[in-house]
Amino acid sequence: SQTIHQWPATLVQPVGSPLSLECTVEGTSNPNLYWYRQAAGRGLQLLFYSVGIGQISSEVPQNLSASRPQDRQFILSSKKLLLSDSGFYLCAWSVQPGGEQYFGPGTRLTVT
Amino acid sequence: QQQVKQSPQSLIVQKGGISIINCAYENTAFDYFPWYQQFPGKGPALLIAIRPDVSEKKEGRFTISFNKSAKQFSLHIMDSQPGDSATYFCAANTNAGKSTFGDGTTLTVKP
Repeated sequence: SQTIHQWPATLVQPVGSPLSLECTVEGTSNPNLYWYRQAAGRGLQLLFYSVGIGQISSEVPQNLSASRPQDRQFILSSKKLLLSDSGFYLCAWSVQPGGEQYFGPGTRLTVT
Repeated sequence: QQQVKQSPQSLIVQKGGISIINCAYENTAFDYFPWYQQFPGKGPALLIAIRPDVSEKKEGRFTISFNKSAKQFSLHIMDSQPGDSATYFCAANTNAGKSTFGDGTTLTVKP
């Protein structure tokens, strides 16, 4: 069966520090991968999605970036965090673009 | 701009009652409409989904109704239970991979 992992589960970082969140999927090949951010009490904002290695589409201009160094690995990064980057970050995968998505457990990021 | 409007923002239902959550979209390129359930501190989980060539889909106590001409779809939870208390999100997907989510509905089922 397929499993999606995210780490860390929680993170507290000072403003201006770098960020690296990792997401890995097991049990499938060539998944479509997604990064979302969810503000408290709000919906999901699509940040990046990837249909293959090295293929990243950015949805929202910001100080975040994403990379896909391996087929089942998706990394969200920032060189300098802002207070507004605080939120719940979710990674998801799907078999097909536009199909049902399966979400990871999320990372709670607090920028202080 | 792609948008999905979800209502109500919050909903309180008595145990055994029917919970109804509505969503409306604008972009006719959307061709897949999933609903997700999210418990506090957890990632959303797929609940049920529908394609626009079907007007209704039922899975257990959960039913999606879809009105293509009105560009609206809704989730009905029959015999609502306290364990159904969660936040529910509708979404609309294009076959290009983009998903647009509604802002969510927080459902509270009172025992």
